[in-house]
Amino acid sequence: DAGITQSPRHKVTETGTPVTLRCHQTENHRYMYWYRQDPGHGLRLIHYSYGVKDTDKGEVSDGYSVSRSKTEDFLLTLESATSSQTSVYFCAISGYQSTNTGELFFGEGSRLTVL
Amino acid sequence: QKEVEQDPGPLSVPEGAIVSLNCTYSNSAFQYFMWYRQYSRKGPELLMYTYSSGNKEDGRFTAQVDKSSKYISLFIRDSQPSDSATYLCAMKVDSSYKLIFGSGTRLLVRP
Repeated sequence: DAGITQSPRHKVTETGTPVTLRCHQTENHRYMYWYRQDPGHGLRLIHYSYGVKDTDKGEVSDGYSVSRSKTEDFLLTLESATSSQTSVYFCAISGYQSTNTGELFFGEGSRLTVL
Repeated sequence: QKEVEQDPGPLSVPEGAIVSLNCTYSNSAFQYFMWYRQYSRKGPELLMYTYSSGNKEDGRFTAQVDKSSKYISLFIRDSQPSDSATYLCAMKVDSSYKLIFGSGTRLLVRP
């Protein structure tokens, strides 16, 4: 298994509170991604990173921010959580070969419930 | 309209059946086509990838791409209960690291 660890794995929070999800990798891969998965929508890209301090928005980035200060860590922050952000969040990583294979390695997911 | 459409299922088949899973897409710039398998409460994992049109076979799995119809398929022969999972198609344009996923089809193979 690819060395990807997400934390926390489960979190229940209240509307308006800040939340940070952490993704840690031991593969030294350049690219890191945050996806959310919701019924009927599949996986949707929130933000991605192509290097330390280099990030860009995905298709559903509103209400989320990210930071990558080290190769191995990619943080996803919800500044003020809303009920619409209740979801399962997946971190993924990939190396240069993924341009030819489309292979992403996913973490186990973080289940977030916003009450 | 979503860029990638996939029937959510669930699809229920008896063990040993041939399974056909499909996706349609609207962006003609997609060049790479992938199938991911996701077991319950796990992250997706790559099953197969195909570049451009044609077929690719790997054991009991065959991936087909028809770019003229903007249609891709995954066939599973001699399906097993262990194949029960959600199957997501994914696509990307050349030289991109960003994948666009379908919503996934849930497959149940009955013993």
